[in-house]
Parts: sequence; structure tokens; C-alpha cells
Amino acid sequence: GENVEQHPSTLSVQEGDSAVIKCTYSDSASNYFPWYKQELGKRPQLIIDIRSNVGEKKDQRIAVTLNKTAKHFSLHITETQPEDSAVYFCAALSNAGGTSYGKLTFGQGTILTVHP
Amino acid sequence: DSGVTQTPKHLITATGQRVTLRCSPRSGDLSVYWYQQSLDQGLQFLIQYYNGEERAKGNILERFSAQQFPDLHSELNLSSLELGDSALYFCASSVALVYNEQFFGPGTRLTVL
Repeated sequence: GENVEQHPSTLSVQEGDSAVIKCTYSDSASNYFPWYKQELGKRPQLIIDIRSNVGEKKDQRIAVTLNKTAKHFSLHITETQPEDSAVYFCAALSNAGGTSYGKLTFGQGTILTVHP
Repeated sequence: DSGVTQTPKHLITATGQRVTLRCSPRSGDLSVYWYQQSLDQGLQFLIQYYNGEERAKGNILERFSAQQFPDLHSELNLSSLELGDSALYFCASSVALVYNEQFFGPGTRLTVL
């Protein structure tokens, strides 16, 4: 089955700096890669996603890049703000058929702390 | 508010007991997913239903079962509970079968004593 590794597990930055979180996946059939943000005690919320036919996607201060050959994808947050502090999860969805529909495999999460 | 509702918010029970967690998806969403979140295991996919049918299965224990009803709400049944089942259980929903944003509910925090 799919395995997703996420690094780093914790990340501390100063307000205004950039933050980068990286994930690798194992299943070459994976073709959808969402990123979720989870604040303490709250539900995960999608912040950006990318499909395998796209190499990069940007939404204001957030961008995601995908390298299918190397099987890794990254989240980039620019001009970080204290409210960006949360746990970020990457995930991969493998659609190799059979029983894989909708099955997201999540990384272990990155605790991002943005210091004012 | 994602539009996905889960009840109850908190559940405290004893080992060996059985509980039922309930989820109502967003209006119009046909897919329902269940996830378990614990400190040591992260977010683990349990099971997916689409329009009443089971469509994907993760590492769901045999003591756990789920179903999706004709009105599209879903229930997750956990039986013979163990201490290690203590976790946050999330339900999520999406419009379609795959490739769509999954909207998470607020979760049910289960504590097994």
C-alpha cells in the first residue's frame, strides 16, 4: 500500500520568513495530493491540492510543487504569519483501481510555529 | 463550519463496551469517510462509503464496522473497546468518489477507561 513520509516533524520560523514542508510517497499510481491544516482541537481543513498532471499550483501565499519522477511534493508558505501556526498534513491518494477509491494516506504531520 | 456534523462530541466509556458514532455529510455529498487520529498513529483512514456502498477500506479493525444509510448519514460502530481505541474519530464527506476535497467534521473524542 501507499506510504507517505513527511519532514520535518516540527518547524519554527520567524514571522515573515518562508516555510517549506516536504513529503515523499511510495506508490507511483498516486495521482492526487492534498495538504490539510489542523489547528489545535479543530478539524483538518484543505488548504491546497494538486493533481499529478500539474507540476505546481499557487494560491496567494501558499504553493505546492510536485515531482512525479522523484515521488515527492512540497508545501511552501511565504510571508508566514502567527496565524499560520498549526499542524500541516500532506496526503496522497492512489487510484490503482480495486479498493483504492478515496483512500487518502496521510503523512505524520508537521507542527509549524510562527514566532511574532 | 464545514457542514459535516458528528455526534457525540465526547464519549467516555469502559473497556469491553460498544459505542456508535454518527456522521451527517454535507448536503449533496455522496461519499463519507471515517478516520482515526491518535497521537502515535496520526490520521489513519478507516473506511469509505459512497451512496450507501462500501468503496474503500483501510486498516480498520474487525471490531469496527460502519454503514451508510439511505439518507446518506453514516455510523461507525466500535465494539469490544480497548484502551488503545482512545482517539479522535473524524468523519469527512465529499461530492464524488475520488479527487474531491474532503470536508471534515468536528470529530468525536473517544476515551476508553
